Amino acid sequence: DVKVTQSSRYLVKRTGEKVFLECVQDMDHENMFWYRQDPGLGLRLIYFSYDVKMKEKGDIPEGYSVSREKKERFSLILESASTNQTSMYLCASQSGGPFSYEQYFGPGTRLTVT
Amino acid sequence: AQSVTQPDIHITVSEGASLELRCNYSYGATPYLFWYVQSPGQGLQLLLKYFSGDTLVQGIKGFEAEFKRSQSSFNLRKPSVHWSDAAEYFCAVGARDTGRRALTFGSGTRLQVQP
Repeated sequence: DVKVTQSSRYLVKRTGEKVFLECVQDMDHENMFWYRQDPGLGLRLIYFSYDVKMKEKGDIPEGYSVSREKKERFSLILESASTNQTSMYLCASQSGGPFSYEQYFGPGTRLTVT
Repeated sequence: AQSVTQPDIHITVSEGASLELRCNYSYGATPYLFWYVQSPGQGLQLLLKYFSGDTLVQGIKGFEAEFKRSQSSFNLRKPSVHWSDAAEYFCAVGARDTGRRALTFGSGTRLQVQP
């Protein structure tokens, strides 16, 4: 089974703090994704990566950055956390194969910025 | 760009009753289609997927979905709901001809099951 783990289930940070959310997958997947989930809005794509050291902006990248130094690890960085970044953050991984579009999700990190 | 609409925000059914959750997509070609389930406090779990071939797709936990090209729909069904099915359900679409591997998700339908 694919396993995607996220470093924290719950996180409380103060406005202005730098926040790191980490995601690790154990299936040697090429592609990894960060989403945020808000009530009534579903999942919105923040950033994704198709390979080590490669990253692409998703639909809502403002206020976020990412890092992928190793294939199995994809980090989401909030340079200066703000209250409107309070949300559930979900990481997903996906095989790079031509017919493998399904994504496998971690348990999520619920971030509260006060 | 593709989009997904789940018209029902919240549905309540009685245990043992049948269930249908609606999903409509917008995409210029035949997409890849998925249904995911999210139990409270958990990540998303894949229920089923459609890539090609038979338009009726079977998934885990007794769920099935039917791809109807003429209606741009991919509705999720279950003949008899169990209390453990209470969760949030997300429909998602993938664009097979653009190389974009990210999925586009609907806003979700929350299912409540009455005893």
